[in-house]
Amino acid sequence: EVQLVESGGGLVQPGGSLRLSCAASGFTFSNYWMHWVRQAPGKGLVWVSRINSDGSGTNYADSVKGRFTISRDNPKNTLYLQMNSLRAEDTAIYYCARGEVGGSYYGYWGQGTLVTVSS
Amino acid sequence: DIQMTQSPSSLSASVGDRVTITCRASQNIDYYLNWYQQKPGKAPNLLIYSASSLQSGVPSRFSGSGSGTDFTLTISSLQPEDFATYYCQQSYRIPLTFGGGTKVEIK
Repeated sequence: EVQLVESGGGLVQPGGSLRLSCAASGFTFSNYWMHWVRQAPGKGLVWVSRINSDGSGTNYADSVKGRFTISRDNPKNTLYLQMNSLRAEDTAIYYCARGEVGGSYYGYWGQGTLVTVSS
Repeated sequence: DIQMTQSPSSLSASVGDRVTITCRASQNIDYYLNWYQQKPGKAPNLLIYSASSLQSGVPSRFSGSGSGTDFTLTISSLQPEDFATYYCQQSYRIPLTFGGGTKVEIK
């Protein structure tokens, strides 16, 4: 069974940092591109970042470029999102999602982890 | 960036109704359009990918159509478990973008 389990969310002050993790199981992690998608409370879905299967290529939304870094550890089956210089508008549930082979759509999502940026 | 516009933003319908949700892209995205269902407090669930392909395990009452800039998601006979918010997503170009969502409520 495919499972994606996020962790690392919490309350952080503006300007602070947080690292999210997404533990994957039930599939060959190193074969898939992985993504982060976020959802502010009561709002819609917003794509944040993606990383290719071997970690050599990444993309970011303009709103997080230069502040967030996506990475992966294939032997550990884990995806990461390092978030620096956090702002109130980064407050959201952060989901990791598996990009399906042949397309950037998401057949599997984690349960999400809540990041709250507030003083 | 490619803007995705969904309509309506919300609708009220009864069990058994046929429901259609529209998604329009700001530029041509061929068939790179996907649909998700999200229930409160849950992660989204993929319904349709590549405009018209039904994801494994999704009931056949869900269908998708369209290409280019105009797409539709149709629920042929609304069931109680279908009351949720639906999102379209383009996977044609980075940044990937979602529509604003359509909330389907009970009439």
